[in-house]
Amino acid sequence: GESVGLHLPTLSVQEGDNSIINCAYSNSASDYFIWYKQESGKGPQFIIDIRSNMDKRQGQRVTVLLNKTVKHLSLQIAATQPGDSAVYFCAENSDSGGSNYKLTFGKGTLLTVNP
Amino acid sequence: DAGITQSPRHKVTETGTPVTLRCHQTENHRYMYWYRQDPGHGLRLIHYSYGVKDTDKGEVSDGYSVSRSKTEDFLLTLESATSSQTSVYFCAISGGSDTQYFGPGTRLTVL
Repeated sequence: GESVGLHLPTLSVQEGDNSIINCAYSNSASDYFIWYKQESGKGPQFIIDIRSNMDKRQGQRVTVLLNKTVKHLSLQIAATQPGDSAVYFCAENSDSGGSNYKLTFGKGTLLTVNP
Repeated sequence: DAGITQSPRHKVTETGTPVTLRCHQTENHRYMYWYRQDPGHGLRLIHYSYGVKDTDKGEVSDGYSVSRSKTEDFLLTLESATSSQTSVYFCAISGGSDTQYFGPGTRLTVL
């Protein structure tokens, strides 16, 4: 069936290498960012988040870096595994006025891990 | 996907027919969202709810309506389906922070 991965930027890495996926966000007023992973045929899965009062946050094998000066977000995956193959996309709370809690999503990057 | 189910998971329908998609959550979260996902686009917000009977439009709300009569259920209705509404639909929930958690999706095909 048709995949969400069509028409997306792609990153191909060897198993065991580190991966870096980048995202440029649009709204300088955004103060919260999330990275999601989406495997084929599944819903987006929360990976890690970061608030704008931080520039780095680490999870298990993943690190998110935030550069507010250039409105850039990156996701680093250490020792990439075949199970990491998926579409990764970032989201920002570009409209969090009041109690809306709405997110704006990037189009994503398709990560392929070669064994 | 824990705590969020969507039904049906797959549906094929004909142009002009009404379609209702259901999102059910067991997390007692206040906020619920409906998105559509299409190739070449990021997730786009259709409608969202910030409480029982409290809903608002998103960026692509034309042709869609929603209802939320209980905390746990958020329904998306296509009053008269069109081929442009062929898509994968995701429900998401949030407990009042910015973090949203997604359901497994419904693949809808309108012939």
